[in-house]
Amino acid sequence: ETGVTQSPTHLIKTRGQQVTLRCSSQSGHNTVSWYQQALGQGPQFIFQYYREEENGRGNFPPRFSGLQFPNYSSELNVNALELDDSALYLCASSLPLAGGETQYFGPGTRLLVL
Amino acid sequence: SQKIEQNSEALNIQEGKTATLTCNYTNYSPAYLQWYRQDPGRGPVFLLLIRENEKEKRKERLKVTFDTTLKQSLFHITASQPADSATYLCALDISSDNDMRFGAGTRLTVKP
Repeated sequence: ETGVTQSPTHLIKTRGQQVTLRCSSQSGHNTVSWYQQALGQGPQFIFQYYREEENGRGNFPPRFSGLQFPNYSSELNVNALELDDSALYLCASSLPLAGGETQYFGPGTRLLVL
Repeated sequence: SQKIEQNSEALNIQEGKTATLTCNYTNYSPAYLQWYRQDPGRGPVFLLLIRENEKEKRKERLKVTFDTTLKQSLFHITASQPADSATYLCALDISSDNDMRFGAGTRLTVKP
């Protein structure tokens, strides 16, 4: 186990609703990244937070937003849900070091949008 | 356009054989490349990281090579076991955006 936890494990929403997913990072890790993984695909980078600031963003619309708290836990918020938002949402924590960055993933939240 | 391609969706091999998985990329210049293992319904688990100035890395039965000229990484599992059955993902560092780009993965099945 990586020490990264996510809640909830599963969630069902309807189109147009809003959702908040939560992530607790591994102890001592100050960076959290969020990924969306569709069935049969690799994870796609949504954004990264470092010390409570957004530190990079992938090709996702503004209705995907996030927060990082002083204890380095994080939230992913998605507004105006669409059917295509159905996926496994993964968070990964890390401690950036020169020369490489290993990411420790949580188990994910499975979101189904009907 | 930028692409990361893993050689096949699925690979079936016999127990005891060596599994070789391929990760090819185009229009990227990653500082390092990582391999992860993912079991169904779970998050990816880090296996190995190899930097652009390294040719080969080993960890127990795992070996990774990285050829920046060919833009290719090979991932080998020697003396494979049924417990090695999983999906294996390669991921490239895209330092300018602070993100990792993942391939779609190769689902490995090791048959007893």
